[in-house]
Amino acid sequence: DAGVIQSPRHEVTEMGQEVTLRCKPISGHDYLFWYRQTMMRGLELLIYFNNNVPIDDSGMPEDRFSAKMPNASFSTLKIQPSEPRDSAVYFCASSFGGGGAEETQYFGPGTRLLVL
Amino acid sequence: GQSLEQPSEVTAVEGAIVQINCTYQTSGFYGLSWYQQHDGGAPTFLSYNALDGLEETGRFSSFLSRSDSYGYLLLQELQMKDSASYFCAVHGKAGTALIFGKGTTLSVSS
Repeated sequence: DAGVIQSPRHEVTEMGQEVTLRCKPISGHDYLFWYRQTMMRGLELLIYFNNNVPIDDSGMPEDRFSAKMPNASFSTLKIQPSEPRDSAVYFCASSFGGGGAEETQYFGPGTRLLVL
Repeated sequence: GQSLEQPSEVTAVEGAIVQINCTYQTSGFYGLSWYQQHDGGAPTFLSYNALDGLEETGRFSSFLSRSDSYGYLLLQELQMKDSASYFCAVHGKAGTALIFGKGTTLSVSS
């Protein structure tokens, strides 16, 4: 398996623009997680899905952020409108779920977002 | 509430042994994992402990004491490439997200 795939790997945009980040989880994994990482706040869980259904979105910072998972092999995280404080590395991760070691998460390479 | 505590930074020299501690306060504890993240990279899984005791994987070992709500990652024969951030993460009941600590930055010098 190719692992978790994220695109784009780098994104530079201007304040106010819409940003869409994409993720393809590992085939067979039932759980998908979106994280944001900054020096100041560390690794923050934004939202996670089980079988394409959002389970907990309490980490989504505000209404400008939205996430979807239309099928088992694709998820998007959208920021509209983007702001400079959204600059961060956004990671997608997936896992089998089911408890114990099956909760091990496999991370994608991340999208490095810079909002000017 | 739920919290994990780990040191923010640790320094060591090549060939040494270093221990990174993690203490946690959570409800519904089911296990402790460790992840490694190199600068500019993604977190990668290192080890998982569900039961008390030591798990060994090559130069790395991980220990858990459920009664003490405490675990550690032990890195032996340190190499420069071990310079990275190390995160402990608590497993809750099945279907819940992992809770990650803030990470420990390990710097290995020659």
